[in-house]
Amino acid sequence: DQQVKQNSPSLSVQEGRISILNCDYTNSMFDYFLWYKKYPAEGPTFLISISSIKDKNEDGRFTVFLNKSAKHLSLHIVPSQPGDSAVYFCAAFRDSGYALNFGKGTSLLVTP
Amino acid sequence: DAGVTQSPTHLIKTRGQQVTLRCSPKSGHDTVSWYQQALGQGPQFIFQYYEEEERQRGNFPDRFSGHQFPNYSSELNVNALLLGDSALYLCASRGQVGTGELFFGEGSRLTVL
Repeated sequence: DQQVKQNSPSLSVQEGRISILNCDYTNSMFDYFLWYKKYPAEGPTFLISISSIKDKNEDGRFTVFLNKSAKHLSLHIVPSQPGDSAVYFCAAFRDSGYALNFGKGTSLLVTP
Repeated sequence: DAGVTQSPTHLIKTRGQQVTLRCSPKSGHDTVSWYQQALGQGPQFIFQYYEEEERQRGNFPDRFSGHQFPNYSSELNVNALLLGDSALYLCASRGQVGTGELFFGEGSRLTVL
């Protein structure tokens, strides 16, 4: 069963505006949540993460928000740039385990 | 500092054949995980190797097997290939322990005809 869900397969945003990518999860035992970015013909690259004991983590233009009661997290990109166009994967991790649980990804297109 | 390297990058096999994919982890990393990414899906965990032993396995049949060598490099073997095994196979080595951060290679694109 899919424990991490990204319900929007694609998103299109104008350059300079905010991009908001959403992710829902079902397992309350996850300890970390991560976002990975993937360009075509490349492997996923780590973007930003958040511990389950936090509700916000910021790194430059990227901010991840975690709402544990709703089992929901979101990635905000401000301002969006054309180079941000990629597939973004939400992933969750239990520190007692070894596997990352990934969502299906959201394809972000930032238009000039 | 070389990142995670995988070979081959692309390969085509026919049903019933066997395939071996190879991975060298990022320098200094001793743990290797393998993931399968089917078209339109997120990566799915196959297994993880540490100290030459399989530590955990995802929901994949025994046709999928692996190995880790003393230099930490790893192989993924798939026997009796099915059409549904067509996917991008990603190798990852572990970054900061306990956070889930992984460094991925570019992947091996397997097509089964």
